[in-house]
Amino acid sequence: DAGITQSPRHKVTETGTPVTLRCHQTENHRYMYWYRQDPGHGLRLIHYSYGVKDTDKGEVSDGYSVSRSKTEDFLLTLESATSSQTSVYFCAINRDSEGYGYTFGSGTRLTVV
Amino acid sequence: AQSVSQHNHHVILSEAASLELGCNYSYGGTVNLFWYVQYPGQHLQLLLKYFSGDPLVKGIKGFEAEFIKSKFSFNLRKPSVQWSDTAEYFCAVYVVGGKLIFGQGTELSVKP
Repeated sequence: DAGITQSPRHKVTETGTPVTLRCHQTENHRYMYWYRQDPGHGLRLIHYSYGVKDTDKGEVSDGYSVSRSKTEDFLLTLESATSSQTSVYFCAINRDSEGYGYTFGSGTRLTVV
Repeated sequence: AQSVSQHNHHVILSEAASLELGCNYSYGGTVNLFWYVQYPGQHLQLLLKYFSGDPLVKGIKGFEAEFIKSKFSFNLRKPSVQWSDTAEYFCAVYVVGGKLIFGQGTELSVKP
């Protein structure tokens, strides 16, 4: 496939606990993104990264933080999970240089109870 | 702020019917435009894209889209849908800074 994997695929966690989702790529792309998908809202950008240690906020960044210590890994952390963060989270890489646009991972379904 | 609007939230068609899904964006600069498809339980896949040149672009599975700059539109079309086209379709705009902005999505249900 496109060499992008997300883990875990599914997670149930309790309100108030920290949660970290991982996105791993094998293709050395500079740009990586975290989106959340919710019915009626499409995909909304949480955070993105344009290089190691270079990150920026998207439109729905409150309650989330990210880290990118290596090119291949982009971590999304919910500092204290809330029920409103129940969602499907997608990681993406930007393959514009190859003419493919974005390539998405398979998603992580997170449920906060 | 940049935004993408998809007019239809849910479209129901019979097989062999023609499809047109509307997409409008608000951004005054140069844009790259995309349509993505998400089949049930799967991740998003690229259907087609427009970067420059011929405003009528053809994608996979018989889909095409037309970029009309004066109308800020990028509508998706298919002359004859199949049951296997049942999915959610997302229009997206790529703006300066490397960000992809998505519309709300249109759910397409095709009845056999």
